[in-house]
Amino acid sequence: EAGVTQFPSHSVIEKGQTVTLRCDPISGHDNLYWYRRVMGKEIKFLLHFVKESKQDESGMPNNRFLAERTGGTYSTLKVQPAELEDSGVYFCASSQLLGNEQFFGPGTRLTVL
Amino acid sequence: AQSVTQLDSQVPVFEEAPVELRCNYSSSVSVYLFWYVQYPNQGLQLLLKYLSGSTLVKGINGFEAEFNKSQTSFHLRKPSVHISDTAEYFCAVSEHYQLIWGAGTKLIIKP
Repeated sequence: EAGVTQFPSHSVIEKGQTVTLRCDPISGHDNLYWYRRVMGKEIKFLLHFVKESKQDESGMPNNRFLAERTGGTYSTLKVQPAELEDSGVYFCASSQLLGNEQFFGPGTRLTVL
Repeated sequence: AQSVTQLDSQVPVFEEAPVELRCNYSSSVSVYLFWYVQYPNQGLQLLLKYLSGSTLVKGINGFEAEFNKSQTSFHLRKPSVHISDTAEYFCAVSEHYQLIWGAGTKLIIKP
């Protein structure tokens, strides 16, 4: 069974540019989560999808971040325009049932210069 | 809101020595508790979890953790560490569906 995959593994962009991160969850997992770890700080929840619906986006930092999950399969997280403080590692996770173990992808390391 | 405290940002330990990584959480209500590990250049991997039942939970790679409700703790232990245990370890608590994380503890194995 394939695990959670994320693309790209690394992204280096300049302030003001746009970046789109992609996450492919484990097949059959309705729940998809995005988390972020800014350098030196805790991993923070960003949002949660159940299938294609956003259940909770309370952790999204501001309106420069847009997450989608069209069709309830893969998800994208777009940052537009990127700011320096957006640098960090963005993790995606999926789970079959709510409250169950979340399986994590390898993360995307975003560097905004 | 829940919070998770990992007091030690780094724990150096000699190879084959025992280790304990500490984790305390804020809530006294029923919680699900997790330890995740991130090996160098890899993603987060579940080490073990407590959902209910026995307070002593065994995980992968010889790790175990004990849930202590009265002390709101979920410390991670291993009786003898190996160089391959070099990683960052994260304690997390599940609040509804999202995970609330500690700051992480880097386990440094000294030869």
